[in-house]
Amino acid sequence: DGGITQSPKYLFRKEGQNVTLSCEQNLNHDAMYWYRQDPGQGLRLIYYSQIVNDFQKGDIAEGYSVSREKKESFPLTVTSAQKNPTAFYLCASSSQGGSTEAFFGQGTRLTVV
Amino acid sequence: RKEVEQDPGPFNVPEGATVAFNCTYSNSASQSFFWYRQDCRKEPKLLMSVYSSGNEDGRFTAQLNRASQYISLLIRDSKLSDSATYLCVVNKNNDYKLSFGAGTTVTVRA
Repeated sequence: DGGITQSPKYLFRKEGQNVTLSCEQNLNHDAMYWYRQDPGQGLRLIYYSQIVNDFQKGDIAEGYSVSREKKESFPLTVTSAQKNPTAFYLCASSSQGGSTEAFFGQGTRLTVV
Repeated sequence: RKEVEQDPGPFNVPEGATVAFNCTYSNSASQSFFWYRQDCRKEPKLLMSVYSSGNEDGRFTAQLNRASQYISLLIRDSKLSDSATYLCVVNKNNDYKLSFGAGTTVTVRA
């Protein structure tokens, strides 16, 4: 089954800790994305990557970091510098960026405790 | 001005009604247009692409108005299962920065 997998589904973090969210795809897509969604709000772009070893800041990159060492993987680290990290995080991929359909993982709900 | 703007709603409609809403965009060079559907606490999924000539998929009709720079989505004969948030995506073909509108919430009541 081809698809995009995020893990874990739920994550709890203590204040001051860094946490890493996993995103893996086997669709052979070049482009991958991370979004944040707050309750009742739309999707806000954190980071995106067009190709391996390259990534760009989105609209709300502060307090987050990413890597793209493999085509299949695009992990997101939420650092302690992110002051309000509690949110629903969605990873997506597409074959040709904005001109083709984006496929999403099922999301990770991060809660700071 | 935001690149993509949507009426947040909510649109509360009875079963069987027709509901329509728009998504306006600011970049006249935009070439790719999509509507996604997001159910509560779930990931978005593609509903339909929007072509220049307009397109229809069952009860759903999407249209593009380049002169006024908006796309529209019309849902006929609304079902309870159509209750969701509808997100638009507007992009240039060679632009990998994929931004979504904030979404329009539709609630269909029995």
